[in-house]
Amino acid sequence: RKEVEQDPGPFNVPEGATVAFNCTYSNSASQSFFWYRQDCRKEPKLLMSVYSSGNEDGRFTAQLNRASQYISLLIRDSKLSDSATYLCVTGSGYSTLTFGKGTMLLVSP
Amino acid sequence: DTEVTQTPKHLVMGMTNKKSLKCEQHMGHRAMYWYKQKAKKPPELMFVYSYEKLSINESVPSRFSPECPNSSLLNLHLHALQPEDSALYLCASSQVTGEGYTFGSGTRLTVV
Repeated sequence: RKEVEQDPGPFNVPEGATVAFNCTYSNSASQSFFWYRQDCRKEPKLLMSVYSSGNEDGRFTAQLNRASQYISLLIRDSKLSDSATYLCVTGSGYSTLTFGKGTMLLVSP
Repeated sequence: DTEVTQTPKHLVMGMTNKKSLKCEQHMGHRAMYWYKQKAKKPPELMFVYSYEKLSINESVPSRFSPECPNSSLLNLHLHALQPEDSALYLCASSQVTGEGYTFGSGTRLTVV
């Protein structure tokens, strides 16, 4: 069974904190990796793709460890607007994407 | 145009009604998807269209009937739904299957 596992949270952090989410995947054939963000009662939105060498987009850094089948997302200097559910997503070749159940982040003033 | 547009945004229907959900994209994406999402759950795949042909049907009940009239449009026809079918129905598209998706804003469906 192809699965993506995430800690559901919630992670409660103060503004300005650094927070990290982890995700493991079971399908060793996975070739593409993403983090999506979903606000309450809204659609998921692509936050960033995750590359083998790791990649950064502003306050967000994603890492991939293929050997351990592990993906991470680091958010620095958390903002109130970062409060959302973060979905870890994998894809393998031409098959569809597999979604984790999401990790909820709550940033408080 | 980098959007996936879904209509209607909200729909309330009775169990004997027939309705359709519509999805449109003009990004030239050749893969389109229907997902169902219940509260506090991840999206669940229902159907995949690749190059306007149905390529995946995840054992969805026949009361849900997808249609892809052309490369930009995707419909989901609904008939004789049950209250447990109430959910957020998301359309998504991608350049090819397996790449990152662009989601529409969804149709929030309530079956009464």
